[in-house]
Amino acid sequence: SQTIHQWPATLVQPVGSPLSLECTVEGTSNPNLYWYRQAAGRGLQLLFYSVGIGQISSEVPQNLSASRPQDRQFILSSKKLLLSDSGFYLCAWSTAYNEQFFGPGTRLTVL
Amino acid sequence: AQTVTQSQPEMSVQEAETVTLSCTYDTSESDYYLFWYKQPPSRQMILVIRQEAYKQQNATENRFSVNFQKAAKSFSLKISDSQLGDAAMYFCACLNYGGSQGNLIFGKGTKLSVKP
Repeated sequence: SQTIHQWPATLVQPVGSPLSLECTVEGTSNPNLYWYRQAAGRGLQLLFYSVGIGQISSEVPQNLSASRPQDRQFILSSKKLLLSDSGFYLCAWSTAYNEQFFGPGTRLTVL
Repeated sequence: AQTVTQSQPEMSVQEAETVTLSCTYDTSESDYYLFWYKQPPSRQMILVIRQEAYKQQNATENRFSVNFQKAAKSFSLKISDSQLGDAAMYFCACLNYGGSQGNLIFGKGTKLSVKP
């Protein structure tokens, strides 16, 4: 069966510091991968998606970036965090044109 | 642009009773999927039920069922015999064929409370 992992689960970072969130999927090959952000009390905003290694599409311009160095690994990064980057970050995977399955999420607080 | 609207920010139901959560969507595509996701306090998103737009029969999954009205672009979720564990945020989502690779469009969610 497929599983999806995210770490860290919780992160507190100062403004201006770098960020690296990691997502890995097990039990499937060549999945579509997604990064979402959820602000408190709000819906999900798609940040990035990837259909293959090295292929990244950005949905929302901002100071975040994503990379996919391996088939089942998806990384969300920032060189300098802003206060507005605080939120709950969810990684998800899917096969093409099917439902998405979500990881447990990372709660990021930028102080 | 594709949109998903959940007009009920909060709902409440008595344990063992039935509740219906509303969702409307707007898409120009003829082929699409619709989903309901549940987000409990742990905040992990859990798929509750899915509906293919080409299917006329409403999807059911144990105590969860949908009322899919394609012409009206309506996709409501009915929870029967509500349980305390059903308390969560519920998100309606739409997935188009074609266009961006499988990108889900989510509504803003409905917070469901279950009273014992």
